[in-house]
Amino acid sequence: AQSVSQHNHHVILSEAASLELGCNYSYGGTVNLFWYVQYPGQHLQLLLKYFSGDPLVKGIKGFEAEFIKSKFSFNLRKPSVQWSDTAEYFCAVNGKAAGNKLTFGGGTRVLVKP
Amino acid sequence: EPEVTQTPSHQVTQMGQEVILRCVPISNHLYFYWYRQILGQKVEFLVSFYNNEISEKSEIFDDQFSVERPDGSNFTLKIRSTKLEDSAMYFCASRDWTADFGPQHFGDGTRLSIL
Repeated sequence: AQSVSQHNHHVILSEAASLELGCNYSYGGTVNLFWYVQYPGQHLQLLLKYFSGDPLVKGIKGFEAEFIKSKFSFNLRKPSVQWSDTAEYFCAVNGKAAGNKLTFGGGTRVLVKP
Repeated sequence: EPEVTQTPSHQVTQMGQEVILRCVPISNHLYFYWYRQILGQKVEFLVSFYNNEISEKSEIFDDQFSVERPDGSNFTLKIRSTKLEDSAMYFCASRDWTADFGPQHFGDGTRLSIL
């Protein structure tokens, strides 16, 4: 069965600090990987995705993530956060078959202090 | 940008009552999903739906649950006899068929509170 682990439940940092959120997955096959963000009171929005090719993917709002196959990891990074990055971040995985369900990590709540 | 819309945003229901959660997926999307998130827990997959039938369901999706696409635009989740433990945020999602397996787009969710 597939599973996703996010290492940090809560992260508090100041504006301009760098952010890295860990994500590890377990899946018996080739995967697609996603990071979603949920701003307070809003729906889940896609930040970035990895399907194949360059393991370093760039998403919206200055976020990037690196797929390291040997470590089963897909960590999210942002070099300099803003107060508006306060949100909950979810890592998710699905298998490479159309229609496959997403399996989510537990989420990381990020609070950026102004 | 097209959105997935869900109604109502908050539903309060007595235990044992039936509830229907409604979703309007993005119009050219072909795959539809329901997920739920119990407070403080992970987002969990409930069911996926394609070509007018369930393509996959989780062990949570027992006989109390059903889904329907009654009119080609709405996608509904029905819980026949609600239990306290059904209290959660329910998210609808949809995706199209693309060569690179496009991502799922989520609605704002319906907060279901069972009393």
